[in-house]
Amino acid sequence: GAVVSQHPSWVICKSGTSVKIECRSLDFQATTMFWYRQFPKQSLMLMATSNEGSKATYEQGVEKDKFLINHASLTLSTLTVTSAHPEDSSFYICSARESGRRNEKLFFGSGTQLSVL
Amino acid sequence: EDQVTQSPEALRLQEGESSSLNCSYTVSGLRGLFWYRQDPGKGPEFLFTLYSAGEEKEKERLKATLTKKESFLHITAPKPEDSATYLCAVLKVGNQFYFGTGTSLTVIP
Repeated sequence: GAVVSQHPSWVICKSGTSVKIECRSLDFQATTMFWYRQFPKQSLMLMATSNEGSKATYEQGVEKDKFLINHASLTLSTLTVTSAHPEDSSFYICSARESGRRNEKLFFGSGTQLSVL
Repeated sequence: EDQVTQSPEALRLQEGESSSLNCSYTVSGLRGLFWYRQDPGKGPEFLFTLYSAGEEKEKERLKATLTKKESFLHITAPKPEDSATYLCAVLKVGNQFYFGTGTSLTVIP
């Protein structure tokens, strides 16, 4: 079954408003979570790496002040798109890493389709 | 340069026509290679993790193999429900993930 829960699945908002997306690991503790953006028929584009209890590491070109990431616990990371604009419309996906000796797994959430009007 | 390349970009198969998808990598310090299936509008679904050359894993009609330079995802007698985009990703020492661009598979009844 699903081990990473992402909510909401889709959201429509007005330009200028903020949207929060939640990503939860359901039955394991994820010290590291990742946030991606995906455009139609393209692969995943890593936006940031979120480590529990510390600041997120953003990829080049991703605005820290626009895409706020919080990883306050071992099972929850949130992405807030602040002052959203139509160009922020996209499919956002989170993933959570479960790691151990020869037990590397990276599970993905079901994604959030954001439409900014 | 660390890179993951998948081929072909798109593949159309008749139902029952077996084939293989390729994932080539030039990442140094491999810790694991992952295969995922992604349906439109959904997040990737985990299929396999491979750790070392020579390793193989199977799940239903899918079989993944790994060498020092590439991985293959073999699909035996595919069915229309196997239609999806298949992604591979490589985890290297230093904990960085590199994703391929995916292979879009269409299985025609």
